[in-house]
Formats: sequence, structure tokens, C-alpha cells
Amino acid sequence: KQEVTQIPAALSVPEGENLVLNCSFTDSAIYNLQWFRQDPGKGLTSLLLIQSSQREQTSGRLNASLDKSSGRSTLYIAASQPGDSATYLCAVRWGNNDMRFGAGTRLTVKP
Amino acid sequence: DAGITQSPRHKVTETGTPVTLRCHQTENHRYMYWYRQDPGHGLRLIHYSYGVKDTDKGEVSDGYSVSRSKTEDFLLTLESATSSQTSVYFCAISDDRANYGYTFGSGTRLTVV
Repeated sequence: KQEVTQIPAALSVPEGENLVLNCSFTDSAIYNLQWFRQDPGKGLTSLLLIQSSQREQTSGRLNASLDKSSGRSTLYIAASQPGDSATYLCAVRWGNNDMRFGAGTRLTVKP
Repeated sequence: DAGITQSPRHKVTETGTPVTLRCHQTENHRYMYWYRQDPGHGLRLIHYSYGVKDTDKGEVSDGYSVSRSKTEDFLLTLESATSSQTSVYFCAISDDRANYGYTFGSGTRLTVV
């Protein structure tokens, strides 16, 4: 069974720190991997999409990496800001109708 | 997201009543999905559609039905709402090409009393 695991479940850091969120998945035969951000009471906002053939994607202060062979992805956030506080979800797509989500990492960035 | 809208945004209904949630897209994507999000369970797939009148069950489909009569609309129906169906419901769309991710709607918060 395909599963997605995110560690840690929660993370609190002071403003300005660089941080890494982790995502692991079973079965390396993926289509793609997507990182989302979710603010309390809101929907999911797509941050980065990494194709199966790619190793990383970057957008501003965010960098996501993918290592299919080890079943891992990391989301690196540089110079964190209080506005980065949210829940970050990792989602892995194995087929057109099979995307599984991790439980998320709740990030708090303290001023 | 401007390309996908859900209605209503909030709804309170009584146990035993039918409820229909609507998802509308303007992206002409083939795939549409309904998820529910609950504390401790994360996001779980209810039903999905891979074309007009083509639908299939997800992992938590009991008590739900769906219909897709047009490319742009995907309806989720709770035939007889129960308190266990109190949740936040999200619709998502995607193309079937590998370089497409999922785009989510803003969600519908449903409370069954």
C-alpha cells in the first residue's frame, strides 16, 4: 500500500532560521510529488511540483528535492518569516487517480 | 483558485437530509476529485471522475454518490447526512499528464447536526 509520512508533525523556529521539512513515501514508481501549504481554515495552495524525472524545484525562498530511490523529499525554507507559519502537506501521485497525502507538518515561525 | 470554485462554502444541515455539494472548473481538466479532511485522518479521497459520466470510488466512498454530466461540474451528494459526515470537503482538478499537479478549491465546511 502506498503511504506518505511527514516528519516532524510540528516545528517551531525563530524568525530568520533556515529549516527543512521531510517527506517519505513507499513505492518509488511515482508520477510526481507536490508540496502544499494550508493556512488554518483555508484551502490548499500548491507550492512546488517535482516531476518523477526531476531532482529539485525552486521558488523564491523554497526549494524542494526528490530522491526516488530512497523514497524521500525535503522542503527547504530559507530565512523563515512569521508569514510562513502554516501546515505544509506533501502529496505523492502514483497514478491519475492515486494521490496520497502526508499528515502534514505544522510550522510556527516566532517573531 | 480562480479556475475551480466550490459551493456552498458553509452549510449546516440536519441528520437524515440529502445534501449536494458542487465543484465547478474552468480549466477543462479531465480529472476531478472529492476529498474530505478531518483531524487525525488528513485528506482522504471520496470519489473521483476521469471524464463525463465516468466516476469511481475512493477509499471513503460509503454514504456518498457523485455525478458528472458536464466536463466543468462534479457534484457530491450525501443521500442521508449523518454526523460522521461533518467535515471539510475539498474538490481538486488535474490533467492526466505527469507534469500536472492537483489544484484545489477553497473547500466546503459541512456540519451535520
